[in-house]
Amino acid sequence: NAGVMQNPRHLVRRRGQEARLRCSPMKGHSHVYWYRQLPEEGLKFMVYLQKENIIDESGMPKERFSAEFPKEGPSILRIQQVVRGDSAAYFCASSPARGPYEQYFGPGTRLTVT
Amino acid sequence: QQQVKQSPQSLIVQKGGISIINCAYENTAFDYFPWYQQFPGKGPALLIAIRPDVSEKKEGRFTISFNKSAKQFSLHIMDSQPGDSATYFCAATNYGGSQGNLIFGKGTKLSVKP
Repeated sequence: NAGVMQNPRHLVRRRGQEARLRCSPMKGHSHVYWYRQLPEEGLKFMVYLQKENIIDESGMPKERFSAEFPKEGPSILRIQQVVRGDSAAYFCASSPARGPYEQYFGPGTRLTVT
Repeated sequence: QQQVKQSPQSLIVQKGGISIINCAYENTAFDYFPWYQQFPGKGPALLIAIRPDVSEKKEGRFTISFNKSAKQFSLHIMDSQPGDSATYFCAATNYGGSQGNLIFGKGTKLSVKP
């Protein structure tokens, strides 16, 4: 009974490179949320996706960031041309549907930009 | 309008004592208030959650107290144990209106001394 899976767990990128973070939701879950956590800070919502649809991207920076959740395969958060300020822990959470359902978090991907 | 304010930032409690963490919110549309526990290097794990139609919810040693008129809620950890040492986040969302993304407090780092 696997939980939410994220990979890689740690990712080091140089400034200007691209970062791809993957999230596989819990079995039976079709809704994925991405959050970003800066050091000593709480989690900040970035984007909410259903299979093949972006439902809410109000927390996503307008440039360089994109997300997708294809019909097959994991959800992907993509950061182009990374900068030092992108260094953070990125968590995804999944739920079975929209509404009053619990969100279960993955272990996170810790991105370091050098 | 979207903020959730959490206090204290850090807390030291003796083993067997009561740990109390407080949160306050502004948006009266919030209708779901979860608490998450996070250990270093791990993702947040749902601990307990409450809806505004009840004033208290208890699960084992963990209790949420909710004061709708004051727009405040708190987590009480009874008989605190060293294994409870972690960072605790309160959160809130409006499942009835928004897409369900969680608004998090900044976290409380709890240390339980043996």
